[in-house]
Amino acid sequence: QVQLQESGPGLVKPSQTLSLTCTVSGGSISSGSYYWSWIRQPAGKGLEWIGRIYTSGSTNYNPSLKSRVTISVDTSKNQFSLKLSSVTAADTAVYYCARGKGWNDPLDYWGQGTLVTVSS
Amino acid sequence: DIQMTQSPSSLSASVGDRVTITCRASQSISSYLNWYQQKPGKAPKLLIYAASSLQSGVPSRFSGSGSGTDFTLTISSLQPEDFATYYCQQSYSTPRSFGQGTKLEIK
Repeated sequence: QVQLQESGPGLVKPSQTLSLTCTVSGGSISSGSYYWSWIRQPAGKGLEWIGRIYTSGSTNYNPSLKSRVTISVDTSKNQFSLKLSSVTAADTAVYYCARGKGWNDPLDYWGQGTLVTVSS
Repeated sequence: DIQMTQSPSSLSASVGDRVTITCRASQSISSYLNWYQQKPGKAPKLLIYAASSLQSGVPSRFSGSGSGTDFTLTISSLQPEDFATYYCQQSYSTPRSFGQGTKLEIK
């Protein structure tokens, strides 16, 4: 059974960089045709797709965040990561990592989510 | 970017009711439409993928239909555990996008 777990600081200061890691267990991150995604959800609001990475390292980002986002993968640790720079209060949200299979990647496994608050 | 619009935004229904939620895409997305269920404090759960394929382990009272720009999620007979928020998502192109959600509440 595949499991995903987000980790990282729960509090980030404005203008700094938010860094989160998603650890995958129950399967190799580099096996199969999987895309590994980040999604966020501000309190009481809907879901926003941030971006994804393929096991080859190719990425797709949401243009609304593209200039600030980097997603990377570390196959040796079975992890993938999110960096979001120059954060503001608008970036406060629950951040989820998720797995999707194939180009059309329906997200079949999700982490439990981690709350990141941007505040001084 | 493709915009996804769900209707209604909220819905009150009773146990045993048949419920339909609609999702419309701003352009054709073929059948690349997924449905998720989210309960408070939990991650979304995949219910339907490719418009009409039932995800493994999901009860058969959930069904999806549609293609092109118009899609529906139907729950044939509501159970107490179905009261949640439902989201559609297009996986036709990047950036992926979600509908704004439909909150299903107990009448």
